[in-house]
Amino acid sequence: GNSVTQMEGPVTLSEEAFLTINCTYTATGYPSLFWYVQYPGEGLQLLLKATKADDKGSNKGFEATYRKETTSFHLEKGSVQVSDSAVYFCALSDQTGANNLFFGTGTRLTVIP
Amino acid sequence: EAGVAQSPRYKIIEKRQSVAFWCNPISGHATLYWYQQILGQGPKLLIQFQNNGVVDDSQLPKDRFSAERLKGVDSTLKIQPAKLEDSAVYLCASSLAGFGTDTQYFGPGTRLTVL
Repeated sequence: GNSVTQMEGPVTLSEEAFLTINCTYTATGYPSLFWYVQYPGEGLQLLLKATKADDKGSNKGFEATYRKETTSFHLEKGSVQVSDSAVYFCALSDQTGANNLFFGTGTRLTVIP
Repeated sequence: EAGVAQSPRYKIIEKRQSVAFWCNPISGHATLYWYQQILGQGPKLLIQFQNNGVVDDSQLPKDRFSAERLKGVDSTLKIQPAKLEDSAVYLCASSLAGFGTDTQYFGPGTRLTVL
């Protein structure tokens, strides 16, 4: 079946620290992989995505590389800001089925000045 | 471009009552999804529509939940009767064509509390 395992939170970092949020997946086909972000009081927004192995998604200084050999899609940012405080969700879309999203449990990030 | 609209934003009901949620997707998006997000968990798909047809409703508790998408545009999700465990945020999303590579755009959600 399809599933996503995400790093447990919450994560608290100081401003300008390096961020890694781990994400691994299990899929029956060749999934597309996504990171969604939910800022306080707002809806889920797409942060970045990758649709095939070795693709790198990037946006707003965040990056994640689709690693088929390790079934991973870890989220990284070199220098976090207070405005990055949010809940981050890793998700996959299995292209052999109905293409709906399977989400991880989310990781809450708090960045302190 | 207007995003996905949902209403109401919040709803509090007693168990065994009925409730309905409304969603208007982004104009031109053929695929519409309803997700349930229980506190502390990731969203879980309840039902997916392609235009006005159901693609996947395998996770929808059909004894109490129903959904429709008349005319292939907006959609309603109903719970009747509600249980305590239905307390969650109900998210609506839409995508252009429903391919696995498509981006799903989410609405702000409806937070349901069942007392």
